[in-house]
Amino acid sequence: GDSVTQMEGPVTLSEEAFLTINCTYTATGYPSLFWYVQYPGEGLQLLLKATKADDKGSNKGFEATYRKETTSFHLEKGSVQVSDSAVYFCALSELANSKLTFGKGITLSVRP
Amino acid sequence: DGGITQSPKYLFRKEGQNVTLSCEQNLNHDAMYWYRQDPGQGLRLIYYSQIVNDFQKGDIAEGYSVSREKKESFPLTVTSAQKNPTAFYLCASTQSGARMNTEAFFGQGTRLTVV
Repeated sequence: GDSVTQMEGPVTLSEEAFLTINCTYTATGYPSLFWYVQYPGEGLQLLLKATKADDKGSNKGFEATYRKETTSFHLEKGSVQVSDSAVYFCALSELANSKLTFGKGITLSVRP
Repeated sequence: DGGITQSPKYLFRKEGQNVTLSCEQNLNHDAMYWYRQDPGQGLRLIYYSQIVNDFQKGDIAEGYSVSREKKESFPLTVTSAQKNPTAFYLCASTQSGARMNTEAFFGQGTRLTVV
């Protein structure tokens, strides 16, 4: 079955540091890939997405590239802010059933 | 404004009682989902429904039940058979599986505590 693996957390960075959060996936078909963000006490919000190989999703300074050859969708940001502190989830969706499969999430804390 | 509404935000239940969590959406989405979130375990799928009057078990359906009598509504009942129900519950919806780029919209969640 489908699965998503995220790097272990939590991650603590200083403001303006470079961020990379690793995500790899296993899927039977050609999934769409997503990054969702969850701020404290809230539901999840879509951060960015990519629907086919080599697509790059981007939003709010975050980027991720769909790499079919390495089955990866790593999240990057050049300069993090305190307001980026949240839990980040990598996810995939298969064409066949629109069912979403999530990774375990990783907590990012950014200190001033 | 279109979106998903979960209620209540906080819910307390005594052991041995059933409790129902509400989820309503006005996005005209076909598919709806219930996830359970526990610290360090991410989101685990409880049930999902791709069309009215039809639903499927997810990865952790035991001790839960759902109904999908209306497109807009997908209530989740946590029964007394659920051994460890204290958790944060999230409802989500997407357009049907015909689209590849199915973005999910989430409610604000319900935090259930068994006392």
